Amino acid sequence: DAGVTQSPTHLIKTRGQQVTLRCSPKSGHDTVSWYQQALGQGPQFIFQYYEEEERQRGNFPDRFSGHQFPNYSSELNVNALLLGDSALYLCASSLGGLRNQPQHFGDGTRLSIL
Amino acid sequence: TQLLEQSPQFLSIQEGENLTVYCNSSSVFSSLQWYRQEPGEGPVLLVTVVTGGEVKKLKRLTFQFGDARKDSSLHITAAQPGDTGLYLCAGIPSGTYKYIFGTGTRLKVLA
Repeated sequence: DAGVTQSPTHLIKTRGQQVTLRCSPKSGHDTVSWYQQALGQGPQFIFQYYEEEERQRGNFPDRFSGHQFPNYSSELNVNALLLGDSALYLCASSLGGLRNQPQHFGDGTRLSIL
Repeated sequence: TQLLEQSPQFLSIQEGENLTVYCNSSSVFSSLQWYRQEPGEGPVLLVTVVTGGEVKKLKRLTFQFGDARKDSSLHITAAQPGDTGLYLCAGIPSGTYKYIFGTGTRLKVLA
């Protein structure tokens, strides 16, 4: 039973570029949440997708956008990259029908902006 | 702004000692979760507490949710080097689907 998988594992970009990160949820899960984790800090909630719609959004600018596909996989897009976007980007999946469902995390994509 | 503050931020103890990590907020949460994260990996869920006053035990780990659902604690008995890692609490504020993570407690258990 595959857990949450994220790709790529590492990525290097330059300021102003755009990036797309991908996430496949754990089998049976229909909800995907994305987080940004800076070094030494806890993850910050970016947004959550459920039924192919953005259900909840954190305090991130519109440069951060996402998508969920019919198979529940998801993408995170970041435009006009800034140095401060360097971080570990985590994807978590869960069952979306109810709150308080356990989240299962992938191992993240390490994004470095030069 | 809903915040979850964890204390202590760093903890270095000897094997066999006991410790408690605290997670506090001024906001009410519909649930709180505790995770452990190791370098290069995503957080791994340890437990979810939902009811105010709830206590859950996982081997040597004891988790408690405050009566008012604003705080939680994690107590580890007889810590072992394998307990080393970053411990994170996370809560869902009432009425939202947005997970708020705490600032983290970095634990190192020395053999």
